[in-house]
Amino acid sequence: DQQVKQNSPSLSVQEGRISILNCDYTNSMFDYFLWYKKYPAEGPTFLISISSIKDKNEDGRFTVFLNKSAKHLSLHIVPSQPGDSAVYFCAASLYNFNKFYFGSGTKLNVKP
Amino acid sequence: DVKVTQSSRYLVKRTGEKVFLECVQDMDHENMFWYRQDPGLGLRLIYFSYDVKMKEKGDIPEGYSVSREKKERFSLILESASTNQTSMYLCASIDREPNGYTFGSGTRLTVV
Repeated sequence: DQQVKQNSPSLSVQEGRISILNCDYTNSMFDYFLWYKKYPAEGPTFLISISSIKDKNEDGRFTVFLNKSAKHLSLHIVPSQPGDSAVYFCAASLYNFNKFYFGSGTKLNVKP
Repeated sequence: DVKVTQSSRYLVKRTGEKVFLECVQDMDHENMFWYRQDPGLGLRLIYFSYDVKMKEKGDIPEGYSVSREKKERFSLILESASTNQTSMYLCASIDREPNGYTFGSGTRLTVV
């Protein structure tokens, strides 16, 4: 049973617009969340993270929002660029950071 | 930069063969992981290791074993390869601080 879920397998957005990728989790003990970006034939790369003590974290064009009561996090990319086209995975861990649980990924396509 | 190196990008093996996937990290990380990535299923944890000669089963260990004789090297072994083990295999390492995983580039394994 997946503890981290990304219910949208794909998303298509026009260049310059906002991309919103969503992630839900079931384990209320998760307290650290990350987003990874993956290009074909490459390993995932770390994008942005958020601790459960926060509800928002920004890094340039990327913002992650955490709603603990809804067990939901989202990644906003503004403005979206064609180079953002990739598969995005959300991941969550317990307090010990020893392992992360991943969602199934959302393939983002940013059209020029 | 931390580097996680996987020895092969692409492998083709026959059913029943014993397969070794090698992973080396160069930043003295204690924790290392093996995941497989399959469409629609995301990243699933096969095995992980906290220290030399230590190993823990992940979510899908069946058909796999691991070896960690040196801190920098973590090997995944398919004892008798089967077609359902055709997948992208990703190695990762992480330090104690919650900066997320550093992934290798992945090994695309095809079992025929």
